[in-house]
Amino acid sequence: SQTIHQWPATLVQPVGSPLSLECTVEGTSNPNLYWYRQAAGRGLQLLFYSVGIGQISSEVPQNLSASRPQDRQFILSSKKLLLSDSGFYLCAWGGTGEEQYFGPGTRLTVT
Amino acid sequence: ILNVEQSPQSLHVQEGDSTNFTCSFPSSNFYALHWYRWETAKSPEALFVMTLNGDEKKKGRISATLNTKEGYSYLYIKGSQPEDSATYLCAYWADYKLSFGAGTTVTVRA
Repeated sequence: SQTIHQWPATLVQPVGSPLSLECTVEGTSNPNLYWYRQAAGRGLQLLFYSVGIGQISSEVPQNLSASRPQDRQFILSSKKLLLSDSGFYLCAWGGTGEEQYFGPGTRLTVT
Repeated sequence: ILNVEQSPQSLHVQEGDSTNFTCSFPSSNFYALHWYRWETAKSPEALFVMTLNGDEKKKGRISATLNTKEGYSYLYIKGSQPEDSATYLCAYWADYKLSFGAGTTVTVRA
C-alpha cells in the first residue's frame, strides 16, 4: 500500500532563517506530487506541483521554491522565511484526475 | 486560477438532522470534481471523485451529485452525527492540479 511521509511535524523558525520541508512517498512510482499551504483562516492553496523528476510548476510567486530530486521525493525550501510563511503545509500525491492522498502535514510558525 | 466556490462557509446542524451544501465550478472543459473531508488535526481524505454529468455517489450517510453542464455539485449528509463535524472541501481538476474551494465547515451539535 502507498504511504506518504512528511517531516518535521512542527517547526518554529525566526524570520529570515532558511526552510526545508521534505516529503517522500512509498508504494507507487511516478506520482504527481503537490505542496499545499493553509494559512490561518484561509483555504487550501496549491503552491507547487510536479509531474516528474526535475519538473516543477509554481502556482504562487513568493519566496518559496520546490525541488524533486528523486521520483518519490518532494522538497519545499526557502532561503529567508517571512512572517507570512506561517501556516500548515501539506504534501500530497495522486494520479492524473484521481484522488489525492495527503501527508500528515507540517505546522510552521515563523516568529 | 480557477474559481471554485463553496457555500455556505459554515453551518451548524442538530444531531439527527440532514443537511446539504454546494460547490460551483467552471462548466467548460470539465474533467473531474473531487470532494474531501478535513477533520481537525488530521489531513484531508477523499470522499468522492466524480467525472460524469448526473453522477451520484454515496458513502454511508454521505452522498454527492454532479451537474457538469451548469457547474455545480451538492454534498448531502443524512442523519448528521457528531463525527460528521469537519470541513468539506470540493476541488476542480484541470491541468494536472486541483483547485480547491474554501470549504464548508460543518458542526454537528449533540
